[in-house]
Amino acid sequence: AQSVTQLDSQVPVFEEAPVELRCNYSSSVSVYLFWYVQYPNQGLQLLLKYLSGSTLVKGINGFEAEFNKSQTSFHLRKPSVHISDTAEYFCAVSEAGGGNKLTFGTGTQLKVEL
Amino acid sequence: NAGVTQTPKFQVLKTGQSMTLQCAQDMNHEYMSWYRQDPGMGLRLIHYSVGAGITDQGEVPNGYNVSRSTTEDFPLRLLSAAPSQTSVYFCASQQTGTLQETQYFGPGTRLLVL
Repeated sequence: AQSVTQLDSQVPVFEEAPVELRCNYSSSVSVYLFWYVQYPNQGLQLLLKYLSGSTLVKGINGFEAEFNKSQTSFHLRKPSVHISDTAEYFCAVSEAGGGNKLTFGTGTQLKVEL
Repeated sequence: NAGVTQTPKFQVLKTGQSMTLQCAQDMNHEYMSWYRQDPGMGLRLIHYSVGAGITDQGEVPNGYNVSRSTTEDFPLRLLSAAPSQTSVYFCASQQTGTLQETQYFGPGTRLLVL
């Protein structure tokens, strides 16, 4: 079985500063990796996903993530955040080719301040 | 397209009451699922369906029933509500059961069981 760890429950950052949200996973097989964003009182929206190929994945809203197999990480980055990026971010993992079951991390609350 | 819709948005129940959370999608997606979201625990899969007439259990199925009589609808039933079922419930759908497809989430139902 796979698991996901998001070590930072909250990340405060000033507007226009860079941000990195950390995600580490554990699995004995190849994985697919995902980042979702949840704005207040809304459902989850897919930011980006890694299935195969290039380890640097670009998503919506200027976010990107890099798959690092040796470090079992999939950290999310944005070079310059906006107030509108304030939301909760979830990392998720699934076994590659193993069906459709996602395992979610506990989430990181990104708070962008002026 | 309305996407994935959920009703009601909020609900308060007394212990032992029953209710049905509604979920509908108008994208002709085969795969639908229900998650619950609890503080500090991320999202956990309750039940899922790979097509009309086919359902299966997820990670936390106890206390919940589902059925899938049509492609569009996937209701979640609580037969006898318990305080432990206080949570935010999300319905999701995707074209097929593979994670290469993007999963779309509804806005959620916030349930309080007293």
